[in-house]
Amino acid sequence: NAGVTQTPKFQVLKTGQSMTLQCAQDMNHEYMSWYRQDPGMGLRLIHYSVGAGITDQGEVPNGYNVSRSTTEDFPLRLLSAAPSQTSVYFCASSYSREKSYEQYFGPGTRLTVT
Amino acid sequence: AQSVAQPEDQVNVAEGNPLTVKCTYSVSGNPYLFWYVQYPNRGLQFLLKYITGDNLVKGSYGFEAEFNKSQTSFHLKKPSALVSDSALYFCAVRVSGNTGKLIFGQGTTLQVKP
Repeated sequence: NAGVTQTPKFQVLKTGQSMTLQCAQDMNHEYMSWYRQDPGMGLRLIHYSVGAGITDQGEVPNGYNVSRSTTEDFPLRLLSAAPSQTSVYFCASSYSREKSYEQYFGPGTRLTVT
Repeated sequence: AQSVAQPEDQVNVAEGNPLTVKCTYSVSGNPYLFWYVQYPNRGLQFLLKYITGDNLVKGSYGFEAEFNKSQTSFHLKKPSALVSDSALYFCAVRVSGNTGKLIFGQGTTLQVKP
């Protein structure tokens, strides 16, 4: 199993550009989520999904879109990048029903918006 | 509202000494609690969890955590710290409901000095 994979590892964008961060998992997990990590602020939930076709907003959803057309993939779209979106982004997945709930994290994408 | 607090930004300990990283929580219902570790430039790795049962939970790399319901705490411990334990540690609690959603604390940097 590859686990949770994320691409790209690094990205630099100019203000106003758009891009998609890719996330995929091969563990047949129902639950997938996107977090951003900023110094001193821990992990903040952006969007999450409990299954294909179902998404919901987390704590900091503004400026981001997601979709879940398959169980495996959960891309995060930045519509019009802003310097405030400079951060490290992590994708995670887990079972959502009564199994273990521990989340498996991808290696992260470091995004800089200039 | 459900929340997790890690009161210490940083914990310093000498190699070979015991370590404790503190976590308190606030949830409705029975808590599902987790500890994760993040090494530099890496994603988060699962360390251990408390779901039910024995209040002392053992996890990876010799870590353990003690669940204390009356004090609403879930402190991470290790009897003898290693320099290689130096990392960022996150406590998390599962949000009630069958989603798999977690709320993370701010994180505590553990520095183990030789």
